[in-house]
Amino acid sequence: KAGVTQTPRYLIKTRGQQVTLSCSPISGHRSVSWYQQTPGQGLQFLFEYFSETQRNKGNFPGRFSGRQFSNSRSEMNVSTLELGDSALYLCASSSIGGTYEQYFGPGTRLTVT
Amino acid sequence: GQQVMQIPQYQHVQEGEDFTTYCNSSTTLSNIQWYKQRPGGHPVFLIQLVKSGEVKKQKRLTFQFGEAKKNSSLHITATQTTDVGTYFCAGYNAGNNRKLIWGLGTSLAVNP
Repeated sequence: KAGVTQTPRYLIKTRGQQVTLSCSPISGHRSVSWYQQTPGQGLQFLFEYFSETQRNKGNFPGRFSGRQFSNSRSEMNVSTLELGDSALYLCASSSIGGTYEQYFGPGTRLTVT
Repeated sequence: GQQVMQIPQYQHVQEGEDFTTYCNSSTTLSNIQWYKQRPGGHPVFLIQLVKSGEVKKQKRLTFQFGEAKKNSSLHITATQTTDVGTYFCAGYNAGNNRKLIWGLGTSLAVNP
């Protein structure tokens, strides 16, 4: 089985721009979660999608949004980028609604200048 | 809100020494998961504990889930340089199985 894939792997944007990140889960996995990881802050939960519906949401501003498609692929969007948005964005898929273990993708390294 | 505290934040050991990281939740957990993230990598699932007082072993790694299902530990016997990385615990609130609450992780450095 192919693992979780994320594109792009690296991205450099300037303040004020917007960005869209993509995640393809493991085949058959319907739950996709997004995390922001910065040094010393661990994994900050952004949101979880299951069957195209947002099931859970973390404490991030409305500039962070996401969606899931019928094939379970997911995208997250960050608008009006700020320097503090520089981070590793990780996507994880799970087989049954997030109850079971999460399989992470390699992440997208976003740098905002 | 619910929190999962993980200690220590950092640990340096000599190769061959033992290592333990602890996770403590403010609320009862339905289960707890452990992940390892190598430097430059992504978190990789290690194990899930579900039952009160459960103990599981994976070679040199021993995982425990507390009797009250509020704490957990990961113990590594005789560390090796391949154990380097950050170990995260993550638990589901017993009242809400849908949201995984993550600890901040323990970064382990092993001196050869």
